[in-house]
Amino acid sequence: RKEVEQDPGPFNVPEGATVAFNCTYSNSASQSFFWYRQDCRKEPKLLMSVYSSGNEDGRFTAQLNRASQYISLLIRDSKLSDSATYLCVSRSNDYKLSFGAGTTVTVRA
Amino acid sequence: DAEITQSPRHKITETGRQVTLACHQTWNHNNMFWYRQDLGHGLRLIHYSYGVHDTNKGEVSDGYSVSRSNTEDLPLTLESAASSQTSVYFCASSTNRLAWEQFFGPGTRLTVL
Repeated sequence: RKEVEQDPGPFNVPEGATVAFNCTYSNSASQSFFWYRQDCRKEPKLLMSVYSSGNEDGRFTAQLNRASQYISLLIRDSKLSDSATYLCVSRSNDYKLSFGAGTTVTVRA
Repeated sequence: DAEITQSPRHKITETGRQVTLACHQTWNHNNMFWYRQDLGHGLRLIHYSYGVHDTNKGEVSDGYSVSRSNTEDLPLTLESAASSQTSVYFCASSTNRLAWEQFFGPGTRLTVL
């Protein structure tokens, strides 16, 4: 079983819409979680960290539910530039990261 | 500006040949990683290093090797290339203090015929 599982999508949404998606993790010892963004054929880049209390970064809101072992990302007021693949990432107690396969979001005009 | 580079960016080779992919970072990061990315699998860790002369196997290390002789470089070698190793390869680096942020190179697209 993969350590991090994601719905691959794609999620096709109009500009201005809100889109939300989750990922689940299997290792209860995972200590921290992140969302990375990957544009088509480009390298992944850190989008934001995920905290138990929930955190916002502009139009992006991330949430962690340790009891149910899932992480969510919500994008408000979607822009065309938000079209990308979003990678859910977990980290245990060393310097390695475990990446999900990604959720693809396409924002249409 | 500090950066992480990979070369070559594209490579076509034949089954059985030895191939080496280069990764060079100028951030002076301790940690370096090699991943492969395939459709439906996401990023899978091949090998990683936490410092000079330190190397460790990841989840898909068979058929690959690395060596770390200095801080800046972590070359990835395919001992005898197989068609199953056709993939996009990403190198990444991070510091210990901010280990959750890995900086990725632009990737190498490898095709094994």
